[in-house]
Amino acid sequence: GAGVSQTPSNKVTEKGKYVELRCDPISGHTALYWYRQSLGQGPEFLIYFQGTGAADDSGLPNDRFFAVRPEGSVSTLKIQRTERGDSAVYLCASSLNRDTGELFFGEGSRLTVL
Amino acid sequence: AQSVTQLDSQVPVFEEAPVELRCNYSSSVSVYLFWYVQYPNQGLQLLLKYLSGSTLVKGINGFEAEFNKSQTSFHLRKPSVHISDTAEYFCAVSDMSGGGNKLTFGTGTQLKVEL
Repeated sequence: GAGVSQTPSNKVTEKGKYVELRCDPISGHTALYWYRQSLGQGPEFLIYFQGTGAADDSGLPNDRFFAVRPEGSVSTLKIQRTERGDSAVYLCASSLNRDTGELFFGEGSRLTVL
Repeated sequence: AQSVTQLDSQVPVFEEAPVELRCNYSSSVSVYLFWYVQYPNQGLQLLLKYLSGSTLVKGINGFEAEFNKSQTSFHLRKPSVHISDTAEYFCAVSDMSGGGNKLTFGTGTQLKVEL
């Protein structure tokens, strides 16, 4: 497809488990972003990749969260030892030009930690 | 650091009536300003943006917004809404010095258009 694709769309897991969320950006977009949206809140920045490297990971809440983008395209957000407070919609976005502010968002992965 | 305030969590309005969704921001540096819209079961999409130049910005679907630096506001307006405008609207800012794409979002305003 032409848009940003995120899988899974829904993930239910138990506290303490490991979770991976995948993002496939728009072809040719070099910048990739992860945001987290909790209920009733706006999206919160987690991490930004320019190519393969994490250009800014200042939004990652703690060391249980990690993201990779090994080939500069698909990215995986990894959450270790999940906690109930990690429950949220995780949004991925990509952009062609890092300075225009136009991000193209996927539909998100809804994570529920029981 | 920047912050965005959207005071109205919900705005009900009748079809064909005008609407204004309010957005105020706080920043110690110059910013870019954006409005994103999220239709039910869809991803966020850019409605309009202010980078520089004219303070009145026109976007898709007949929406416009005006940047007011003295009041640190970027309110969104539409003169006549349609049922299809029912969605959640997010105001966002980014730090011009840090690159335009690390966005700080407000908490959103749910626009509900009624017949």
